[in-house]
Amino acid sequence: GDSVTQTEGQVTVSESKSLIINCTYSATSIAYPNLFWYVRYPGEGLQLLLKVITAGQKGSSRGFEATYNKETTSFHLQKASVQESDSAVYYCALSAGGNYKPTFGKGTSLVVHP
Amino acid sequence: AQTIHQWPVAEIKAVGSPLSLGCTIKGKSSPNLYWYWQATGGTLQQLFYSITVGQVESVVQLNLSASRPKDDQFILSTEKLLLSHSGFYLCAWSLGWEYAEQFFGPGTRLTVL
Repeated sequence: GDSVTQTEGQVTVSESKSLIINCTYSATSIAYPNLFWYVRYPGEGLQLLLKVITAGQKGSSRGFEATYNKETTSFHLQKASVQESDSAVYYCALSAGGNYKPTFGKGTSLVVHP
Repeated sequence: AQTIHQWPVAEIKAVGSPLSLGCTIKGKSSPNLYWYWQATGGTLQQLFYSITVGQVESVVQLNLSASRPKDDQFILSTEKLLLSHSGFYLCAWSLGWEYAEQFFGPGTRLTVL
């Protein structure tokens, strides 16, 4: 089946430093799955951060970027300069068909220190 | 504005007892609806989705069932809870095309003892 592996546990970064949360995937149901990053801020519901449905393309939102790399089957989340307000749990996900039957990673908790 | 409401906020139930979790979406007609579940320390899994009233597709078999009795309501239930049902249940909605953004509810924390 499909699977998503992302940086496990907690990542701690100082404010204004760069960030990368790794995400690699394995898709058996489809050659080029749709890829997503979701985020859950403290006290809020899960929400979509960005998505890319075409291999080779880059998605961006709120200063975060992720590039769909089909050669390395990766979709790493990056930000050049994090802020304390970016502290949240981030989930990488894939699907063969948009919102249907997605596969999620276990989530990465980002803590940004001032 | 659209709102999504889940009930209850939290529940503590005994093994073997029945369960009913609810989700209501206001301000949007004919949404697609979804149930998700996350065990403590586990991954988020989509359990069911529904694109119209009365029709529900099962994604993961967990001895749970779902129903959509009204356009704006999605119910998750079981007659007999298992310990493995413990976790966090999320309801979500989206517009009726497959790449529409999903909007998630606040969730229900279920503890089965």
